[in-house]
Amino acid sequence: AQSVTQLGSHVSVSEGALVLLRCNYSSSVPPYLFWYVQYPNQGLQLLLKYTSAATLVKGINGFEAEFKKSETSFHLTKPSAHMSDAAEYFCAVSDRAGANNLFFGTGTRLTVIP
Amino acid sequence: SAVISQKPSRDICQRGTSLTIQCQVDSQVTMMFWYRQQPGQSLTLIATANQGSEATYESGFVIDKFPISRPNLTFSTLTVSNMSPEDSSIYLCSVEGFGTGDGANVLTFGAGSRLTVL
Repeated sequence: AQSVTQLGSHVSVSEGALVLLRCNYSSSVPPYLFWYVQYPNQGLQLLLKYTSAATLVKGINGFEAEFKKSETSFHLTKPSAHMSDAAEYFCAVSDRAGANNLFFGTGTRLTVIP
Repeated sequence: SAVISQKPSRDICQRGTSLTIQCQVDSQVTMMFWYRQQPGQSLTLIATANQGSEATYESGFVIDKFPISRPNLTFSTLTVSNMSPEDSSIYLCSVEGFGTGDGANVLTFGAGSRLTVL
């Protein structure tokens, strides 16, 4: 069975500072991994996904995530936070293709301080 | 990617009543998914809705409580029946992503329907 743990339900960073949102997963087989973002009053949208190609995955809005099998991690980073990055971020894992097999973390709310 | 419209966006409901949430997609899709997002918790899949067949419910969710309709390839409804305060959640409709760059296991979501049960 697969699961996802997001460390830190709330993260605050200053504008221009590094963003680091942590995600650790559990999966008995090589996983598919995803980061979704939810802006206020909007649905979730895909930031990036890992599907066993490159371990460093680049997504939209300057975000990227690195798959580290030895650490079972898929942390999300962005070098310089922007005010528009304030949102809730969800990590998700799947052990096989099929959108009905996606397990989400509890989310991390990112606040950007001017 | 698909554009998903959900109605209502929010509602306040009385205990014991039922509410139907509508989900409209701008493209034909095979499967539609209904998720629940409880306060402070992760998204949980309620059921998968295929056109022309009964919905498939995940463990812990039953048809009597969450009846689903899927009359065509662009529309689905989820009813939350006999509501209690524990049903206060955001309910999200989603479809598998398609189009440039999306794979078969990526979801596109509607904005959600925030229900508060008093």
